[in-house]
Amino acid sequence: EADIYQTPRYLVIGTGKKITLECSQTMGHDKMYWYQQDPGMELHLIHYSYGVNSTEKGDLSSESTVSRIRTEHFPLTLESARPSHTSQYLCASSEFRGTDTQYFGPGTRLTVL
Amino acid sequence: AQTVTQSQPEMSVQEAETVTLSCTYDTSESDYYLFWYKQPPSRQMILVIRQEAYKQQNATENRFSVNFQKAAKSFSLKISDSQLGDAAMYFCAYIYRDDKIIFGKGTRLHILP
Repeated sequence: EADIYQTPRYLVIGTGKKITLECSQTMGHDKMYWYQQDPGMELHLIHYSYGVNSTEKGDLSSESTVSRIRTEHFPLTLESARPSHTSQYLCASSEFRGTDTQYFGPGTRLTVL
Repeated sequence: AQTVTQSQPEMSVQEAETVTLSCTYDTSESDYYLFWYKQPPSRQMILVIRQEAYKQQNATENRFSVNFQKAAKSFSLKISDSQLGDAAMYFCAYIYRDDKIIFGKGTRLHILP
């Protein structure tokens, strides 16, 4: 199994709350990604980073924000959660060469009531 | 723009039989990488197999093999001797250099006992 971790695994929260989803990897990978995925559906890239202090928005517009202060850490924050944010969030990482395999975390299943 | 198409949203196969999942892609590049990822129910996404476009030989990994047809832009996955543990969503993916990886919409594979 890849050394990439996500916490929490499950989160149920009320509308309007601020949340941070954590993602950490111990492989020293420069590239990290956040995907949003409804159960059994396709992956949507929402954020990615090619290294420290580098963050970019993905293909799917998202109200979340990310930061990359340390190589191993790539947290995602929602300032005010809404029911439309209910989904699964997958974090992944890969080496800087873009052709390398992506390693995925176990995901965080978020439910906003 | 590059695209990845998986035309079979869902497939079923009898245990111990062979099944082939289809994937086509569109690109004007010549040197790229293709992947098949597996996402079991409620479990982590993992790499199944990877193919470098410059290699003519089809990649194999135990019971998993690909049929890579570069001119036809086709990259199918064959699973031999299907097992219950093969039940999952399978995603085909493409990447060119440091561009973002592009995933297909996935094929859900059911294994019938």
